[in-house]
Amino acid sequence: QSALTQPASVSGSPGQSITISCTGTSSDVGGYNYVSWYQQHPGKAPKLMIYDVSKRPSGVSNRFSGSKSGNTASLTISGLQAEDEADYYCSSFTISSTYVFGTGTKVTVL
Amino acid sequence: EVQVLESGGGLVQPGGSLRLSCSASGLTISSFAMSWVRQAPGKGLEWVSAISGGGGSTYYADSVKGRFTISRDNSRNTVYLQMNSLRAEDTAVYYCAKHINIAARQTYFDFWGQGTLVTVSS
Repeated sequence: QSALTQPASVSGSPGQSITISCTGTSSDVGGYNYVSWYQQHPGKAPKLMIYDVSKRPSGVSNRFSGSKSGNTASLTISGLQAEDEADYYCSSFTISSTYVFGTGTKVTVL
Repeated sequence: EVQVLESGGGLVQPGGSLRLSCSASGLTISSFAMSWVRQAPGKGLEWVSAISGGGGSTYYADSVKGRFTISRDNSRNTVYLQMNSLRAEDTAVYYCAKHINIAARQTYFDFWGQGTLVTVSS
């Protein structure tokens, strides 16, 4: 199972919006609505930010939103803040009853 | 407060074995599937294995199938990962991640431990 494809880095100024893409296949992202997104600060454990493509866990800012079109899922961060600087990973359930993560995207707040 | 704590990591020679443990508090672990996810130094996340809440269903990544075995002892609120025939490429921080329900399929990971480092080197 190959990793889902994400851009290596995305940057934006405070207050701006950025979008991170996550491209898979019809055997994972395109075939299921079990796409989730995780935020990871350096040296820390990942934190769930979005699940089931577009749902936010309680306690996660509404500045984070998710969507999906075909084989590509997206995470949008609006009103970018310094604390959003981190690595972000998408994940999907797969047709093989396994899970696959994305390659990861480093978000930089300029 | 939910807490998940991994242990058992360390330095092991290629071809050796290691058993990781994941103990949970603040929740009844038998109600939740659990996964192991690893992260090689400076690299991304890689899902390794999952086990359903009752332990009857297990799943593995191709990269570890036949070498790693996931199991659980719900009476001890603990999940294990037995790792055999270890290779240099298994070097990583291993995270224990809780699923949102008892099924290991078609879910996501809503809580993660802090991880334990496994280093495979001679």
